[in-house]
Formats: sequence, structure tokens, C-alpha cells
Amino acid sequence: AQSVTQLGSHVSVSEGALVLLRCNYSSSVPPYLFWYVQYPNQGLQLLLKYTSAATLVKGINGFEAEFKKSETSFHLTKPSAHMSDAAEYFCAVSGKDSSYKLIFGSGTRLLVRP
Amino acid sequence: DADVTQTPRNRITKTGKRIMLECSQTKGHDRMYWYRQDPGLGLRLIYYSFDVKDINKGEISDGYSVSRQAQAKFSLSLESAIPNQTALYFCATSDGGSPLHFGNGTRLTVT
Repeated sequence: AQSVTQLGSHVSVSEGALVLLRCNYSSSVPPYLFWYVQYPNQGLQLLLKYTSAATLVKGINGFEAEFKKSETSFHLTKPSAHMSDAAEYFCAVSGKDSSYKLIFGSGTRLLVRP
Repeated sequence: DADVTQTPRNRITKTGKRIMLECSQTKGHDRMYWYRQDPGLGLRLIYYSFDVKDINKGEISDGYSVSRQAQAKFSLSLESAIPNQTALYFCATSDGGSPLHFGNGTRLTVT
């Protein structure tokens, strides 16, 4: 069965600092992987997705993530945090059966200090 | 206008009441999904539908039912609401070649 683990329910960084949100997955076959962001009182918005093309995936708002099969990881990074990045971030995995039945991690809330 | 519209945005109901949450979409996607979000648990899949005649249970379907009235409409019902169904509910759509596109959610409180 597939699963996703997000390390750290809360991450706090200073504005301008590196953002690193961790995600590890468990899957018997290489999956599709996603990062979503949720701003207060809104739905989830897709940041980026990995579908077995390039292992370094660039998304919106300056975020990127690297798929590392050997580490079963898909960590999300951004070189310089902005106040507007404060939100909750979810990592998700799905099989390659195109059902898009996403399995979500428990989420990481990013706090950005001025 | 939102591509995926959920109604109501907020609902407070009492234990034992029947309640329906509605979702409509203008994206033309054939696949629709219902998820619930609980703090610290992320999102969990309740039901999903690939077309009007295809309904499938997700990981936490007990206590819920769904109806796909048309390609664009997918409703979630709680036949007899209980307090542990208090959560944020999301509808999502996909065309099978794209990731999920989410609505803004319905916050349900069962007292």
C-alpha cells in the first residue's frame, strides 16, 4: 500500500531563508508525486508534480522538488522564503493507474517570520 | 467564477440529522472525488466517481453516501450525522490526465 510521511507538522523560517519541507513516500512501484499548498479558507492548489520525467521538478511561486528514488523522498524547497509563502503544504502520492486517488501526507504548516 | 463550486461553505447541524453537501464543476472533467480534511491527518478519500454510472468507495466511506446526478454534479450525503464527522470536506475533479483540482471546501460541524 502507498503512504506518505511528512516530517514536521510545523516549520518556521525567517523571510529570505531557505524553505525545506520533507516528504517520504512508500510505494511498491515508482509513483506519481505531488505537492499542494493550502492558504487559509481556501482549497488546495497544485504546486508541482512528478510523473517520471525529470527528477528535479519546478513548480509555481519559485518552489521545486527533487525525486530521489534511493531515498524514497520528494522534498520541497524554495531558496528564499516570502511572507506570502505562509500556508499549509501537503505531499501526495498516487499510482500510475491514472485514477488520481491521491494519498496525502498529514501536512506541514509553514510559518514565515519577518 | 470558481471552476469547482461547493455548497454550502459552512454548515452546522445536529447529531442524527441528514445532510447533503453539493459540488458542481464547469471544467468538463469526468472524474470527481470527495475528501475530508482533519487537523494532523491530511486529506482522506471518501468516494470517487469516474463517470455518472461509476461510483467507488474510498478509504473512509462508512457513514457516507454519494450521488452523481450529472457529469458536472457530485453530492455527498451523511444519512445520520455524528460529531466525529465534523471536518472540512473537499470536492475535487480530474480529467484523468491531470492532477486533482479542488473546490474551496465545506466546513461541517456536527453538534
